[in-house]
Amino acid sequence: KQEVTQIPAALSVPEGENLVLNCSFTDSAIYNLQWFRQDPGKGLTSLLLIQSSQREQTSGRLNASLDKSSGRSTLYIAASQPGDSATYLCAVPTSGTYKYIFGTGTRLKVLA
Amino acid sequence: DTGVSQDPRHKITKRGQNVTFRCDPISEHNRLYWYRQTLGQGPEFLTYFQNEAQLEKSRLLSDRFSAERPKGSFSTLEIQRTEQGDSAMYLCASSPWRDRGPSEQFFGPGTRLTVL
Repeated sequence: KQEVTQIPAALSVPEGENLVLNCSFTDSAIYNLQWFRQDPGKGLTSLLLIQSSQREQTSGRLNASLDKSSGRSTLYIAASQPGDSATYLCAVPTSGTYKYIFGTGTRLKVLA
Repeated sequence: DTGVSQDPRHKITKRGQNVTFRCDPISEHNRLYWYRQTLGQGPEFLTYFQNEAQLEKSRLLSDRFSAERPKGSFSTLEIQRTEQGDSAMYLCASSPWRDRGPSEQFFGPGTRLTVL
């Protein structure tokens, strides 16, 4: 059974810091891994999708890496800004299905 | 392309009433998902459609829940005899066809349900 864990649960940093969010999963037989951002009371915004054959994906100040063998992904945010404050979620599909399993998220606050 | 839309955005109902939510996916996407999210948790999978076929259902989808996608376009999620425990955000997502495996999901704004 696929389980997804995100550490830390919450993070508060001053503006300008580089930071790393972690996502781990128990079943390494995945097609892909997707990172999302969620603002309070809103839907999810897709940030990055990493296919199982890829090691990294980059979009602007965001870089996501994937290590399938160890069941880990990291989301790196460079030069954080107050507008980055949100909850960040990772999700992986359960092996052999289209059912995505989400972590509980990391709640990020970037202080001006 | 206007993205995934959901209606209504908010619904307040009394216990025992029936409610229905609608999701309009991105037009060229043939895959559609429903999720439920409670405060402080990640979304929980409810069900998945490929075109009009409902291919997966979670055990969370009790007999009181039913979802349809009659023409492979919009979808509806109905909850009968609502209970206070049904209070949550109901999220819809769509994704394009991919020849192998699941593809990138795009989410709507959600419907916030409050059962009094």
